[in-house]
Amino acid sequence: DTEVTQTPKHLVMGMTNKKSLKCEQHMGHRAMYWYKQKAKKPPELMFVYSYEKLSINESVPSRFSPECPNSSLLNLHLHALQPEDSALYLCASSQPGLAGPRAPGVSTDTQYFGPGTRLTVL
Amino acid sequence: GENVEQHPSTLSVQEGDSAVIKCTYSDSASNYFPWYKQELGKRPQLIIDIRSNVGEKKDQRIAVTLNKTAKHFSLHITETQPEDSAVYFCAAPRRTYKYIFGTGTRLKVLA
Repeated sequence: DTEVTQTPKHLVMGMTNKKSLKCEQHMGHRAMYWYKQKAKKPPELMFVYSYEKLSINESVPSRFSPECPNSSLLNLHLHALQPEDSALYLCASSQPGLAGPRAPGVSTDTQYFGPGTRLTVL
Repeated sequence: GENVEQHPSTLSVQEGDSAVIKCTYSDSASNYFPWYKQELGKRPQLIIDIRSNVGEKKDQRIAVTLNKTAKHFSLHITETQPEDSAVYFCAAPRRTYKYIFGTGTRLKVLA
């Protein structure tokens, strides 16, 4: 299985709603990512979990709350979003290099993306 | 700084011609360079990647070249077909787990 899956495919929510995006992978990868992608722009990193611990938070507003319940699952909890948060939310996974969770320097591991959740905030 | 420049932003070629997209990165420690293809409404899909211990890698009609001295790498697509039409993104690692993506190239292959 070389797939990353995401649910739901589409989500429309109001600014007072609470919703969650879900991501799953069964490739045994130990790093999982959330990206936000606006139309005609590249993916923009939000969060990274490695070995189920939050490794990177790119100064994302607290209305986005990530959670990694286990090595296969990644959630993104949404609360009090703004219309400008409307975007495609992509999950990705990768297998960290042999040096493990404290690998120094830069990455060389391949990221595999899920199909994304198209989010619209009204 | 954190920067990957990608050119051109749009590229139109006739079917059967070649297409070349170039990226320039700034961090000399970067040593892995993937290329992603993203069709409209779909996920970015890895099409080819290169590591810094080689200068060129080829997979059928797709090739990637790397010049570490000049800090640039290029995607080459030969014998283009209409189904190659998509947005292509390059990426370079900035630090562990963080990749900086180029701004994207919209490729149109005209039949």
